[in-house]
Amino acid sequence: IAGITQAPTSQILAAGRRMTLRCTQDMRHNAMYWYRQDLGLGLRLIHYSNTAGTTGKGEVPDGYSVSRANTDDFPLTLASAVPSQTSVYFCASSLHLETGELFFGEGSRLTVL
Amino acid sequence: GQNIDQPTEMTATEGAIVQINCTYQTSGFNGLFWYQQHAGEAPTFLSYNVLDGLEEKGRFSSFLSRSKGYSYLLLKELQMKDSASYLCATMDSNYQLIWGAGTKLIIKP
Repeated sequence: IAGITQAPTSQILAAGRRMTLRCTQDMRHNAMYWYRQDLGLGLRLIHYSNTAGTTGKGEVPDGYSVSRANTDDFPLTLASAVPSQTSVYFCASSLHLETGELFFGEGSRLTVL
Repeated sequence: GQNIDQPTEMTATEGAIVQINCTYQTSGFNGLFWYQQHAGEAPTFLSYNVLDGLEEKGRFSSFLSRSKGYSYLLLKELQMKDSASYLCATMDSNYQLIWGAGTKLIIKP
């Protein structure tokens, strides 16, 4: 089934640890995104990628890094997790950056203690 | 600055009609989007408006007035499964989506 998958679904980790959230899509979409969603706030863009090999910073990039080695994969890394990074993280993709119809993964619930 | 405003929560009755409003201020404008998000799930795309007027899609319709910075999502013949959060988003001049905090819609029998 075509779509976008994230892993892990849920994770608890200690502050200071390194963590990578995985995201894979099989729709051959050019653009991919990482958002965080916190209660009472809108989705906030962390990083995005217009096409394989390029990445850009969103609204809240500090403490996060991404890579886009190929079209399908877009991992998000927290180099040294802090409690304020406790959130639900959504990976999404769209055909192009200019296309506002995003397809979202199921989300990764991350708790940093 | 960029800002999206929508009500935090609304309640409606099964079978009725509800209108969820959204006002926005963004740097540039490349469209207004509505998404549905059920609790604990991912957002899913509902509608897109770039020109003024009403776009109808089954029980859901979306309206846009660019001069007023205003949109609404109209849901008809409400069903219990319509209980969800509805997210309003605009696309700015850099093709980035700016999201509202969402409106939680509660449907009562």
